[in-house]
Amino acid sequence: GEDVEQSLFLSVREGDSSVINCTYTDSSSTYLYWYKQEPGAGLQLLTYIFSNMDMKQDQRLTVLLNKKDKHLSLRIADTQTGDSAIYFCAETHISSGSARQLTFGSGTQLTVLP
Amino acid sequence: EAGVTQFPSHSVIEKGQTVTLRCDPISGHDNLYWYRRVMGKEIKFLLHFVKESKQDESGMPNNRFLAERTGGTYSTLKVQPAELEDSGVYFCASSQGNYRGPLGNTIYFGEGSWLTVV
Repeated sequence: GEDVEQSLFLSVREGDSSVINCTYTDSSSTYLYWYKQEPGAGLQLLTYIFSNMDMKQDQRLTVLLNKKDKHLSLRIADTQTGDSAIYFCAETHISSGSARQLTFGSGTQLTVLP
Repeated sequence: EAGVTQFPSHSVIEKGQTVTLRCDPISGHDNLYWYRRVMGKEIKFLLHFVKESKQDESGMPNNRFLAERTGGTYSTLKVQPAELEDSGVYFCASSQGNYRGPLGNTIYFGEGSWLTVV
């Protein structure tokens, strides 16, 4: 079955790096995503990685994928107070040329301390 | 370009009442999804429309939930009668569906409809 797991909470000091971890069980995942939800807001797509990639960097964000261990991480460099939010890891499969449902983790609440 | 819009943004209803949530997907997106997050748990898939057809409704919790997408444009999700455990955030999302790489298939979410059943 499909299962995506994340730790529930993470606190870091402003200016430090944050690393949010995620594990998944479905080895046929095609794309893995990180979404961000700020308080009272919807889900914002942060970044994604294709399953045949090991790493992807996008400004302050670095995504690392260890396909053997089914482990995904999101590193936020120079974390700011505006980064405080819930971060969701999600995976999906591409089948028959169209996107299918996303499977989400429970979300990691990131708190950035001044 | 407008994103996925949902209405109402917040709703408080009594147990046993009916609530209808509406979603307008991004223009041109054939795929429309409903998800929900209850009690601070993970976001769970409810169902998936391709145009006006239900492609996958395996996540619908029970027959108190009815989703429609007449004409393949906007969608509604009705909960009747609402129960306390239905409280949560209901997200609508849409995607193009034609395979053009990850962004062509990326699922874009609305801001959610926050439902509280008392």
